[in-house]
This record gives sequence, C-alpha cells and structure tokens, in this order.
Amino acid sequence: EDQVTQSPEALRLQEGESSSLNCSYTVSGLRGLFWYRQDPGKGPEFLFTLYSAGEEKEKERLKATLTKKESFLHITAPKPEDSATYLCAPIKAAGNKLTFGGGTRVLVKP
Amino acid sequence: DSGVTQTPKHLITATGQRVTLRCSPRSGDLSVYWYQQSLDQGLQFLIQYYNGEERAKGNILERFSAQQFPDLHSELNLSSLELGDSALYFCASSRNTGELFFGEGSRLTVL
Repeated sequence: EDQVTQSPEALRLQEGESSSLNCSYTVSGLRGLFWYRQDPGKGPEFLFTLYSAGEEKEKERLKATLTKKESFLHITAPKPEDSATYLCAPIKAAGNKLTFGGGTRVLVKP
Repeated sequence: DSGVTQTPKHLITATGQRVTLRCSPRSGDLSVYWYQQSLDQGLQFLIQYYNGEERAKGNILERFSAQQFPDLHSELNLSSLELGDSALYFCASSRNTGELFFGEGSRLTVL
C-alpha cells in the first residue's frame, strides 16, 4: 500500500530563519510529485510539480527538490505570510488516486 | 481564485439526514475529485470522475455516493449522516494527468 509521510508535523520559525520540510514516500509507479500550500479553512493551492530525480523548482522563498525516495521543500528567509500547512502528493503512473501526506504546519513568527 | 466552485460553503444538519454538495470544475477540466478533511485527519481521497465516468475510488463510505453530469459538474451525496461525518469536503478538478485545482470547500457540521 502506498505510504506518504511528511516531517516534521509542525514547525515554528522566526522570520528569516530558513528550514526544510521533508516528504518521503513508498509508491509503486511513481511519476512525480506535487507540493501544495493550504491556509486554514481554505482549499489547497498548487505550488509545484516535480517529475525527475534531481529536479528543482522555485517560487519566491520556496524551493522544492526531488530524489527517488523523498522530496524537500526549502523555505528561505521565511516571512509570516509563509505560515500555512504544506502538503505533498506523489503522482502515480497508473490510476489517478492522489494520496496526500499529512502535511507540515509551518508558523513563522515576526 | 482556482476556478472551481463549491456550494454550499457551510451546511449544518442533524444526524440521520441527507445532504448534497455541488462542484463546478474549471472550464475545460474533465476530471473531478472529491476529498474529505476532518480535524484529526489529513486530506482523504474519496472518489474521482473523468468525463462522467468513475475513474478511481478511495475510502468512500457506502452511505456516500457521487456522480458527474454531462455538463461536467459533480455532486457528492452524503446520507444517514453521523457526527463523525462533520468535515470539510473539497472538490478539485484537473486536465488529464495535470495538477489538481481545489475549490474552497464545503464545511459540513452534523449535530
């Protein structure tokens, strides 16, 4: 059965304090990975798609990287507006049952 | 704004009742997904439709059913409601094999 684990579950950062979030997975037929951001009470917002090991994507203070077994979301010099839950979801080659990890809740304090 | 519209935004009902949640996908998207998110659990995949046909099924209870209509909007029907069904229900849509775009959700409270 597919497994997706995100760590840490929660992260408290001071503004400007860079950190990394991890998404590890055991998925058959892996084709890529999505990263999403979710604000409380809102729908998840698409951030990145990564397809190949070694691929990197950047958006403002966020950079996502992918290996064969895990993905990292690096937050560089975060601001309070980066506070959110970050979700990852491996993309399978067959079928469309997209399984999300439990998320990492990030709180950036000014 | 993702372009995915969900109604109603909030719904309060009693145990044993039945409700219908509605989703209009982004223009041109043929796939619709339904997810449940409760406080103590993450996003749980329920079901996916592609151009009117069921494509994939997750841990959807037998009391729940869904369908996608010819105009591509989708409805999620929840019946014999229990307290534990209280949750946010999200609809998402996508082009074939592309990223999902989520609506703002329907918050269901069962009293």
